[in-house]
Amino acid sequence: DAGVIQSPRHEVTEMGQEVTLRCKPISGHDYLFWYRQTMMRGLELLIYFNNNVPIDDSGMPEDRFSAKMPNASFSTLKIQPSEPRDSAVYFCASSLTAGGSTDTQYFGPGTRLTVL
Amino acid sequence: GDSVTQMEGPVTLSEEAFLTINCTYTATGYPSLFWYVQYPGEGLQLLLKATKADDKGSNKGFEATYRKETTSFHLEKGSVQVSDSAVYFCALSFGGYSTLTFGKGTMLLVSP
Repeated sequence: DAGVIQSPRHEVTEMGQEVTLRCKPISGHDYLFWYRQTMMRGLELLIYFNNNVPIDDSGMPEDRFSAKMPNASFSTLKIQPSEPRDSAVYFCASSLTAGGSTDTQYFGPGTRLTVL
Repeated sequence: GDSVTQMEGPVTLSEEAFLTINCTYTATGYPSLFWYVQYPGEGLQLLLKATKADDKGSNKGFEATYRKETTSFHLEKGSVQVSDSAVYFCALSFGGYSTLTFGKGTMLLVSP
């Protein structure tokens, strides 16, 4: 299996522009997670999906952020408009269960976003 | 709410030194406990886990024991290598629909 695939790996954009991050989870995994990692705040869970349905988006920082999962093999995280404080590494992860004792979350390599 | 506290880094060691990274948790009940590792430029990957009190998780020479009485899950390795340089995350989960709660991570730097 190719693992969790994220694109792009690096994104540099200017403040105010729309940014779309993409994720392909491991085939057969029912759960998909979006995380943000910064030096100041560490690793934060933004949103997660179960069978393509958003379950908990309480970690999404504000309305500028949105996430979709149109099918089992694809998800997007969109920031519109982007701001310099959105600069971070964004990880996508997938698993068979939400977190549990018998399962592992598999992380993608991340997208490093820089907003100038 | 549930939380995980890790020792602040970076932890700087020479090759073949003994490693301990402390992790304690606060939770209502008895969660499963995990250590994830993040190598430079990569995503996190599971290193080891323990699902109940007194369980010992182990992998690649790393070990951690689930101590209910001290609510701890300290990571240890007897002899570190340069290739162990990474950020280590302690995490907990209650299973089912519960997601992972991560600590802030501890950076380990091993010099030759």
